[in-house]
Amino acid sequence: NAGVTQTPKFQVLKTGQSMTLQCAQDMNHEYMSWYRQDPGMGLRLIHYSVGAGITDQGEVPNGYNVSRSTTEDFPLRLLSAAPSQTSVYFCASREGGVRSYNEQFFGPGTRLTVL
Amino acid sequence: AQSVTQLGSHVSVSEGALVLLRCNYSSSVPPYLFWYVQYPNQGLQLLLKYTSAATLVKGINGFEAEFKKSETSFHLTKPSAHMSDAAEYFCAVSRYYGSSNTGKLIFGQGTTLQVKP
Repeated sequence: NAGVTQTPKFQVLKTGQSMTLQCAQDMNHEYMSWYRQDPGMGLRLIHYSVGAGITDQGEVPNGYNVSRSTTEDFPLRLLSAAPSQTSVYFCASREGGVRSYNEQFFGPGTRLTVL
Repeated sequence: AQSVTQLGSHVSVSEGALVLLRCNYSSSVPPYLFWYVQYPNQGLQLLLKYTSAATLVKGINGFEAEFKKSETSFHLTKPSAHMSDAAEYFCAVSRYYGSSNTGKLIFGQGTTLQVKP
């Protein structure tokens, strides 16, 4: 199993550009999520999904869109990039919906810089 | 609302010394608690988790943590630090969130562990 994969690893955007961060998992996990990591702030939840066709907002959803058309894929879209979105983005997945004690598996991250 | 506080953003120990990373949580209901480790330029990896079975939880790489309800703490320890333990460590608590009643992880700010030779 490849686990959770993310592409690209690095990305530089100009203010106002749009792009999609890709995330895929091959563990048949129902739950997938996107976090951003900023120094001194830990990881903050952007959006999450409990299955294909079902998504919901996390703590910091503004400026980001998601969709979940398949169990495997959970792309994160930046509609109009802003310097405040410069961050490291992590995708994660785990089994189950209400079983919140299950381990989350994290991808390697995407380092995004917005100029 | 649940939250997590990690005391000390940087901790430095000598190789072979005790490692103690502090985590306090606030929760109105019994929580699920986790410690994750992040090595440089990598994603997060689970070290251990508490799910109300035993208060002393053993994890990978010789780490363990003790759940103390009276102190609302879940501190991470390792008897003898190795150079390979240098990383960032995150404490996290799980709670139900959103209309789908799905568990969400709330992370602390992280503690960077430096191990000196």
